[in-house]
Order: sequence, then C-alpha cells, then structure tokens
Amino acid sequence: QVQLVQSGAEVKKPGSSVKVSCKSSGGIFNSYTINWVRRAPGQGLEWMGGIIPMFGSPNYSQKFQGRVTITTDETTSTAYMELTSLTSDDTAVYYCARGSILFFGSKTYYNYFDFWGQGTLVTVSS
Amino acid sequence: EIVLTQSPGTLSLSPGERATLSCRASQSVSSTFLAWYQQKLGQAPRLLIYGASNRAAGIPDRFSGSGSGTDFTLTISRLEPEDFAVYYCQKYGDSPLTFGGGTKLEIK
Repeated sequence: QVQLVQSGAEVKKPGSSVKVSCKSSGGIFNSYTINWVRRAPGQGLEWMGGIIPMFGSPNYSQKFQGRVTITTDETTSTAYMELTSLTSDDTAVYYCARGSILFFGSKTYYNYFDFWGQGTLVTVSS
Repeated sequence: EIVLTQSPGTLSLSPGERATLSCRASQSVSSTFLAWYQQKLGQAPRLLIYGASNRAAGIPDRFSGSGSGTDFTLTISRLEPEDFAVYYCQKYGDSPLTFGGGTKLEIK
C-alpha cells in the first residue's frame, strides 16, 4: 500500500527557509513523479514543482523559480522541498503528491496525482 | 502557462440535486491531461477523474467528467451529503502543471 508521510508542522520567521520532507513507502520510488502542491488560507491549490527521481531534474513553477528546491534521496525513498526567503504569504499547507510517468515517444510527462501526503502546515510569522 | 478558470466560484445546492462544474482553459488542453480532484476540509485532495472522463478507482458512478479542447465539465448526478467540498480541475502532462481556482460546493 502506497503511503506518503510528511514531516511535522513548522513555524518560521520572515526571511528564513523551511525544508519539508515526504517519505514514500510502497512502489518503486524512482519510477514515479513526486510533486509539491500548496494551499494557502482562502486560496486554491498551487503546483510548486515536481521531480522524476529516475531522471533527477526538477521542474518548477515560474512563480517559485529561484526560491524553491526539490530534491530526492533514493536510499531512503524521501523527497524534500526547500523554500527560501519566506514571507507571510508563504503560510500554507504544503502537500507532496505522487504520480506516474507518462511516456510518449521520446518525451516524458507528469501524470495525474493518485497519492497524496497528509500535508504540512508552515506558518510564517514574526 | 495554461490558465484554468473554474466557475462558478461557489455553488449552493441541496442533496439529491445535480451539480455541474465548469473548467475553462486559456488554450487547448489534450483530454488525456485533464483531471478533477475533491478536497474536504482538513484533508488532502482526492483524485476523482483523469483523462477528462475516466473515474479513478473507488469513485462512485454519480461522478462523471466530459469535455475537450478548452471546456471541461464535472457532473455529480445526485448529490450526497459527503459530496459537499471544494473541487479543482488540473492540467497535467507538460510542465508547468496548473490547477483551477476551485469551485466550492455548499449545502443550500
């Protein structure tokens, strides 16, 4: 059974960074995509970025480019999302989500998200 | 980046009624790459529909998806009390992936 278990809630000061982890069990870790999605209070879901561990190179939403880093540790089947230069606007619940990889010809694509972590609340406050 | 616009923002209906939720894309989206999710308060989103019209495992058949090009629809044929939640459409495939702003389905 697939499970994604995220690290616990964080309280951060403006200007600092946060690193959230997502440990995967069930399935072969590097044969799926891992994505990070957030939902700020009163807002909708936002895709921040994703990574295909098999290939290693992450993709980021332009909104977060330069502030977000997504990495994986295949030895522990864990993905990480680090967000820097935090402001109060980054207060949100952060989710990791798994999807399969779509192959069309020589290109790879992100598939829909079939498993989600439980979410990690990050609060940015002075 | 493909922008998804969902309407209405809020839909007030009663149990037993039919719900029709819309998702419009700023440019054409392959039906292969359009999904719908349900999110209840305090929970992670749950996949309902993928490939525009395919129900995910365990999703009741009162949920159906349709559409192509720039216009997609999620229909709930007869609302059950547990269906009142927020619904999101998603474009996947190429990066960047995007979500619509959501439709809140509330009890009238």
